Amino acid sequence: EIVLTQSPGTLSLSPGERATLSCRASQSVSSNSLAWYQQKPGQAPRLLIYGASSRATGFPDRFSGSGSGTDFTLTISRLEPEDFAVYYCQQYGSSIPLTFGGGTKVEIK
Amino acid sequence: MQLLESGGDLVQSGGSLRLSCAASGFTFSTYAMSWVRQAPGKELEWVSTFTGSGSRNTYYADSVKGRFTISRDNSKSTLYLQMNSLRAEDTATYYCARILWFKEPMGWFDSWGQGALVTVSS
Repeated sequence: EIVLTQSPGTLSLSPGERATLSCRASQSVSSNSLAWYQQKPGQAPRLLIYGASSRATGFPDRFSGSGSGTDFTLTISRLEPEDFAVYYCQQYGSSIPLTFGGGTKVEIK
Repeated sequence: MQLLESGGDLVQSGGSLRLSCAASGFTFSTYAMSWVRQAPGKELEWVSTFTGSGSRNTYYADSVKGRFTISRDNSKSTLYLQMNSLRAEDTATYYCARILWFKEPMGWFDSWGQGALVTVSS
């Protein structure tokens, strides 16, 4: 089972600032098979990134994903008020189980 | 497209419950579908997947194997999760989600329902 570790646990930033979220895998994730999800309070998760860097429909280009192997990054270039949420990474490159990271909360400073 | 879960409830430890997920807005039968759960204040946990497009393969997390059964009725565009021998640690919001294959049974979840809360009292 691949364990995903997200850091930091909480990121306190102001609107307009840049957010950099990390997702580290316990072993290499084949073919960059990593997704990111955004979850707001009381809502279901929403697909944000798949294939490590492909943005899902509906998300602006201030969101970008990068990385390979065991280290992946989600970057929000300039935070908007609606971007404050919890972000989860998920790997799908190895055998089951599909696994998620523990999440990074991006909160308003 | 829309996914609408139902059936969440308060149940005693050792009891059973069946969740349903009604799908609309897409050709349900051609897609693999999954259940993902989230304990209060915790991270997401994949629970189970049922393949689509005519195949009937099922996959389970070790934590629910032998206790939970996933099924689907393509004529009703509905996914089910039968949960038996429930434990306090099964308390969570259960999400129905459509899964897109990277390579069966691995994929990412492109659409989610609003969730159904299952509370198991000990």
